[in-house]
Amino acid sequence: QKEVEQDPGPLSVPEGAIVSLNCTYSNSAFQYFMWYRQYSRKGPELLMYTYSSGNKEDGRFTAQVDKSSKYISLFIRDSQPSDSATYLCAMSAMTTDSWGKLQFGAGTQVVVTP
Amino acid sequence: GAVVSQHPSRVICKSGTSVKIECRSLDFQATTMFWYRQFPKQSLMLMATSNEGSKATYEQGVEKDKFLINHASLTLSTLTVTSAHPEDSSFYICSARDLLAGTDTQYFGPGTRLTVL
Repeated sequence: QKEVEQDPGPLSVPEGAIVSLNCTYSNSAFQYFMWYRQYSRKGPELLMYTYSSGNKEDGRFTAQVDKSSKYISLFIRDSQPSDSATYLCAMSAMTTDSWGKLQFGAGTQVVVTP
Repeated sequence: GAVVSQHPSRVICKSGTSVKIECRSLDFQATTMFWYRQFPKQSLMLMATSNEGSKATYEQGVEKDKFLINHASLTLSTLTVTSAHPEDSSFYICSARDLLAGTDTQYFGPGTRLTVL
């Protein structure tokens, strides 16, 4: 079983809809949670960073963390065709062995159709 | 925001040659940089952790003599693919931690696409 599970999609939504993405994890030591966006043939771009349970909002993006359920989500409101990309969840634990290392989900391909 | 650059963005080489990829943190100091490899439609695979002034730490299954890493300064890490073969063709991405940011966030470079003929 992978430490981080993420549905690879593709997830197709019409323009203006809410995109809902999620990841589950098994390692309770994970304390930091990130969402990255990656366009084809480009490096990942950090979208959201959080370290506590609850919601964090930044513009059209909302990140949600539920540590008790080991579940994180990313919501994109008013989606645009330019949001079409692969979204990767990532998380890290501040243990001696894993200091600074990120565990990535498989990435979900999102397609926003005009 | 934190910017990480990579050079070159794309390289094509003949089998048996060595290729060097540079990773630079442009507006922050990075004591730790990471090197990843990504195959088409797959997630990032961590190859090694590069610490400034010390030897890199390689993940299991990654040949350290094949993928030489040097982190000589707080803003530069290099990955050299030695005696490259077609199976080394891949997308190589580096990332850097901004130590002063107080978070465990990594900022990624734009990637280098290596094609070995």
